Amino acid sequence: GDSVTQMEGPVTLSEEAFLTINCTYTATGYPSLFWYVQYPGEGLQLLLKATKADDKGSNKGFEATYRKETTSFHLEKGSVQVSDSAVYFCALSDQAGGSYIPTFGRGTSLIVHP
Amino acid sequence: NAGVTQTPKFQVLKTGQSMTLQCAQDMNHEYMSWYRQDPGMGLRLIHYSVGAGITDQGEVPNGYNVSRSTTEDFPLRLLSAAPSQTSVYFCASQRAAGGYQETQYFGPGTRLLVL
Repeated sequence: GDSVTQMEGPVTLSEEAFLTINCTYTATGYPSLFWYVQYPGEGLQLLLKATKADDKGSNKGFEATYRKETTSFHLEKGSVQVSDSAVYFCALSDQAGGSYIPTFGRGTSLIVHP
Repeated sequence: NAGVTQTPKFQVLKTGQSMTLQCAQDMNHEYMSWYRQDPGMGLRLIHYSVGAGITDQGEVPNGYNVSRSTTEDFPLRLLSAAPSQTSVYFCASQRAAGGYQETQYFGPGTRLLVL
């Protein structure tokens, strides 16, 4: 079946540091890939997505590139801010699955200190 | 648009009690899902629906019932609450049109404590 593996957290950084959160996946078909973010006390919201190989999703300074050859979708940001502190979830939705309900990773907590 | 709404925001139950978590969306989305979020476990799918009158089980369905009589509403019923059901519950919806490329929209969550 489909699965998503994310690096375990928490990831603790100082403000303006470079961020990478690793995500790899296993899928039956040819999936779409997503990053969702959950701010404290809130539900998840879409951060970015990519729907085919070599696509780059980007939003709010975050980027991730769909790498089919390495089955990866790593999240990066060049300079994090305190306001980026949140839990980040990598997810996939597989066209072979039928229901199109996403499969989520376990989430990675990011803590940014001033 | 209100998006996805959930009630209540917080609930305390005693073991054995039953309750219904409400979820509604005003985006005319065909798909709706219920997840639970536990520390270290990420999001786990409980039940989902691909349209009114159609529901299916997810990864952890035991102890929960759902029904979908309208496009807008997707309530989750706890039949006999157990301490293991202490969790944060999220409802989500998405359009069917774009299939596997569609984004999910989440509600703000319901925090449930079972004593």
